[in-house]
Amino acid sequence: SQTIHQWPATLVQPVGSPLSLECTVEGTSNPNLYWYRQAAGRGLQLLFYSVGIGQISSEVPQNLSASRPQDRQFILSSKKLLLSDSGFYLCAWKTGFDEQYFGPGTRLTVT
Amino acid sequence: SQQGEEDPQALSIQEGENATMNCSYKTSINNLQWYRQNSGRGLVHLILIRSNEREKHSGRLRVTLDTSKKSSSLLITASRAADTASYFCATDEGSNYQLIWGAGTKLIIKP
Repeated sequence: SQTIHQWPATLVQPVGSPLSLECTVEGTSNPNLYWYRQAAGRGLQLLFYSVGIGQISSEVPQNLSASRPQDRQFILSSKKLLLSDSGFYLCAWKTGFDEQYFGPGTRLTVT
Repeated sequence: SQQGEEDPQALSIQEGENATMNCSYKTSINNLQWYRQNSGRGLVHLILIRSNEREKHSGRLRVTLDTSKKSSSLLITASRAADTASYFCATDEGSNYQLIWGAGTKLIIKP
């Protein structure tokens, strides 16, 4: 069966510090991978998606970047965090026209 | 961008009652999906309805789709405390890669 892992679960970082969030998927090949951000009590904002290794599409200009170094690994990064980067970050995968499967999320607080 | 709009934004009902949430969207779709999110967790897929379907059931869930009105509803029958969560609709907008998300309905089931 497929499993998606995200870590860390929670993170508190000072403004200006770097960020690296990792997401890995097991049990599937060549998935589409997604990074979302969710502000408190709000819906999902798509940040990046990837349809293959090294292929990244950015949906929103921002202080973040994404990379997909391996088929089932998706990394969200920032060189210098801003207060506005605080939020709940979710990784998801899907294949074809089917539903998306979400990881447990990372709660990021920038102080 | 957000295409789906859920209504109401929040709903509080007594345990055992039925809960109905609505979703409207703006463009043509291949399918519409409903997800549940417990507080602080990732999203869980509930049900997918294709554009050529009008109604779909899964346990206590019933989803309807009216493509002429570009709207869908999610009915949860005989609600339970464990149904307390936020519910999101998402549409594919004809894309194989992205889902467009609504802002969600926060459902509270009172014991």
